[in-house]
Amino acid sequence: QVQLLESGPGLVKPLETLSLTCNVSGDSITNDHYWGWIRQPPGKGLEWIGSFYGTGSAYFNPSLQGRATMSIDKSKNEFSLRLNSVTATDTAVYFCARGPTLQYYYYYYMDVWGKGTAVTVSS
Amino acid sequence: DIQMTQSPSSLSASVGDGVSISCRASQSISNYVHWYQQKPGKAPKLLIYSASTLQSGVPSRFSGSGSGTDFTLAISSLQPEDFATYYCQQSYNTPYTFGLGTTLEIK
Repeated sequence: QVQLLESGPGLVKPLETLSLTCNVSGDSITNDHYWGWIRQPPGKGLEWIGSFYGTGSAYFNPSLQGRATMSIDKSKNEFSLRLNSVTATDTAVYFCARGPTLQYYYYYYMDVWGKGTAVTVSS
Repeated sequence: DIQMTQSPSSLSASVGDGVSISCRASQSISNYVHWYQQKPGKAPKLLIYSASTLQSGVPSRFSGSGSGTDFTLAISSLQPEDFATYYCQQSYNTPYTFGLGTTLEIK
């Protein structure tokens, strides 16, 4: 059974960098699947942040204006999101999720999700 | 970006009823649409992918249809656990975008 678990600081000050980690069990992040991040501001809808495949390059939502990066740690089977220069509009629950296999890239749906981690940006 | 417009934004129904939720894309997106269910405080759950394929383990009372710009999620014979918020998502282009959601409430 594939499980994802997000971890993060909970509270980040404005203009600092938000760092989140997603630990994956039951599957390898270098196997044939995409992995990514989605967020949900309080009381609002879902926003896709970015995704990657295997050890390849990540791609991001342009709405983030280049503030996001992703990395992987194969030894821990986890991947991370860094979002710099945060503001109050980055306050949200952040989810990591598994995407499709490479064969189904165009059908980019997310079939396994973490429980989410809440992040508040405030001084 | 492709806009996904869901209607209605909220819906009241009773256990045993059938309901439909609509999702309209701002341009033609073939069948690159997926549907999720989200309950308060929980992560979204995939229900339907590629417009009409039922995700493994999802009850058959859920069904999806549509192609091009107009898509529908139908739930037949509502069960108490179906009262939740539903989102559509497109993967025709990046950035992947979601509808604003339809909240299904108990009448």
